[in-house]
Amino acid sequence: KNEVEQSPQNLTAQEGEFITINCSYSVGISALHWLQQHPGGGIVSLFMLSSGKKKHGRLIATINIQEKHSSLHITASHPRDSAVYICAVRPQGGSEKLVFGKGTKLTVNP
Amino acid sequence: DSGVTQTPKHLITATGQRVTLRCSPRSGDLSVYWYQQSLDQGLQFLIQYYNGEERAKGNILERFSAQQFPDLHSELNLSSLELGDSALYFCASSALPGGGSPLHFGNGTRLTVT
Repeated sequence: KNEVEQSPQNLTAQEGEFITINCSYSVGISALHWLQQHPGGGIVSLFMLSSGKKKHGRLIATINIQEKHSSLHITASHPRDSAVYICAVRPQGGSEKLVFGKGTKLTVNP
Repeated sequence: DSGVTQTPKHLITATGQRVTLRCSPRSGDLSVYWYQQSLDQGLQFLIQYYNGEERAKGNILERFSAQQFPDLHSELNLSSLELGDSALYFCASSALPGGGSPLHFGNGTRLTVT
C-alpha cells in the first residue's frame, strides 16, 4: 500500500462544475503539498499546508491532520484546469524527502 | 515562471553513456532538490542540497551523483545509462532547507535512453 493515496485516479467534468480531489496518507507529516502538472510536463506548486485551509483564486485546499486526509477543491472549473494534480507529503522527523501520490488526471470539457 | 531553470529540455542518448543535467535555482533560494518521474514509478525524490552541502538522499542509484556549486546551481550526473533511466528529471528550489517554504519547480529535462 502506498503511503499517499489519491482518489479518483481520473476525473472528467463539465465546465463550471465543482471539483474535489482527495488525498489520504498513512504517516505523520509536517507538511502537505498540492502540485499541478500540465500536459507539457511542467509542475507548479499550488499549496503547501500543515493545518486548516488555504484559498487561492478558485482553488481551495483543506487538511485534517487527525484523519490524515486532504482535499483540493476547484470551483467553477474551466478547461484550462485540465491537468494532473499531485499530492505530496513531507513525513515528520525532519525528513527532507517528499512522498508523492500517483496523481489525479482532471479533464474539464467545455 | 517559477524562476528555476533546467537545461537541456530534452536529451536523447544511448545505453552506457553519461549525461549531465543542470539546474539554476530561483534567485535567493539556497536549497535544490532533484526528482525523477517515470511512467511506472511516478515522482520520486532523489537528492537535496542546501548551500553547497548534501542535505538528504532518497532513491538515488549509485550510478547517479549530484553536486551544488558555490553559485548555487546544481548538476545531476547520470552514468552507465540504462533503458529504465528514461524519465523526466525535475529540479526544484526553496528558500529554506527544512520544508518550511514552498517549492518552485523547473520545467524538467526529458531523458530518453535508446
